[in-house]
Amino acid sequence: KQEVTQIPAALSVPEGENLVLNCSFTDSAIYNLQWFRQDPGKGLTSLLLIQSSQREQTSGRLNASLDKSSGRSTLYIAASQPGDSATYLCAVSYDKLIFGTGTRLQVFP
Amino acid sequence: EAGVVQSPRYKIIEKKQPVAFWCNPISGHNTLYWYLQNLGQGPELLIRYENEEAVDDSQLPKDRFSAERLKGVDSTLKIQPAELGDSAVYLCASSNAPNTGELFFGEGSRLTVL
Repeated sequence: KQEVTQIPAALSVPEGENLVLNCSFTDSAIYNLQWFRQDPGKGLTSLLLIQSSQREQTSGRLNASLDKSSGRSTLYIAASQPGDSATYLCAVSYDKLIFGTGTRLQVFP
Repeated sequence: EAGVVQSPRYKIIEKKQPVAFWCNPISGHNTLYWYLQNLGQGPELLIRYENEEAVDDSQLPKDRFSAERLKGVDSTLKIQPAELGDSAVYLCASSNAPNTGELFFGEGSRLTVL
């Protein structure tokens, strides 16, 4: 069965910390993996898309890596800010997109 | 460039009433998705369209849910009759390529069934 798991479920850190969010998936035959951000009451905003042939993608303070053989992806956020507070979801593309349940991040001043 | 547009943003209805949600995808995106998201959960696929064809509707509860994308652009998702358990956020997304394309989501339609 194709499953996507995110750990931790929630994270609270002081401003300025570098942090890592984890995503694991059971089936390595993926097309791509996408990281999203969701603010309360809002839709999902695409952050980074990593194709199956790629190892990482970077956008600003965000860096996402992909290791298909171990079934893992990490989202690294550098120098976290209160505005980064949101739920972060990873989604793995097979013949359909399967989402994890997300990591709820709070960055306090 | 406009993103994915959904309406209404919020809808409150009594059980057994019908409800419809509308989605306008990003221009040029042939792939359109409807997802359901319950509180604290990740989105779950209801139906995927390639142009006007529903290519994956295996998770759509067809006894009460229906969807259409007649001209391969806008789409409508309907629930009739609504049940209490249908209270959730209904998200529409589009991409320019199935499986490999980046997904872009609308703001969602939050349904409350009383």
